[in-house]
Amino acid sequence: DTGVSQNPRHKITKRGQNVTFRCDPISEHNRLYWYRQTLGQGPEFLTYFQNEAQLEKSRLLSDRFSAERPKGSFSTLEIQRTEQGDSAMYLCASSSAGEAGAWNEQFFGPGTRLTVL
Amino acid sequence: GQQVMQIPQYQHVQEGEDFTTYCNSSTTLSNIQWYKQRPGGHPVFLIQLVKSGEVKKQKRLTFQFGEAKKNSSLHITATQTTDVGTYFCAGLRVTFGTGTRLTIIP
Repeated sequence: DTGVSQNPRHKITKRGQNVTFRCDPISEHNRLYWYRQTLGQGPEFLTYFQNEAQLEKSRLLSDRFSAERPKGSFSTLEIQRTEQGDSAMYLCASSSAGEAGAWNEQFFGPGTRLTVL
Repeated sequence: GQQVMQIPQYQHVQEGEDFTTYCNSSTTLSNIQWYKQRPGGHPVFLIQLVKSGEVKKQKRLTFQFGEAKKNSSLHITATQTTDVGTYFCAGLRVTFGTGTRLTIIP
């Protein structure tokens, strides 16, 4: 399967614990995005990388959230001291970089569903 | 910041009826993308529009980008049960719209 993969698919944790999610993008894609989606809402942008550089972070992203893409391939999203409000589906997507700053189609992974008890 | 609103939020149609969702941005967009998300699934890219007034068709789906590049629409002709899902538009800087959830009454 050459699509975007995410692990784990489901995570249940207790409030206050740290969690880490992994995303493996399509291999030739240099852009990687993280989104959060709650029921009935559209994907909410969190952050994106071009290669290993984190180019943008949402102002909504608290300092408990951190993302890395150390070698420009897979990425991890860590949430520290989880809160019940963090419960959501965390989606990863990848794309190739468009010309002159254009944004190409994004390919989404299946997501990691986080439940904070 | 940029906001992208979609109307309606929900749409229930009889199978065979047409369906339209509208996307409106608070700012001018350089391009717009449309995605479909099936229940329990992840968003899947449908199309990208770039030019003012552009119209693109994919079988029963017609996508339009407004002249001012601040709005867009998706029209589905003769809906089928396979069209069920939520349709999102996405503007520049990875801002997704609020989505229109389409349900089909057989």
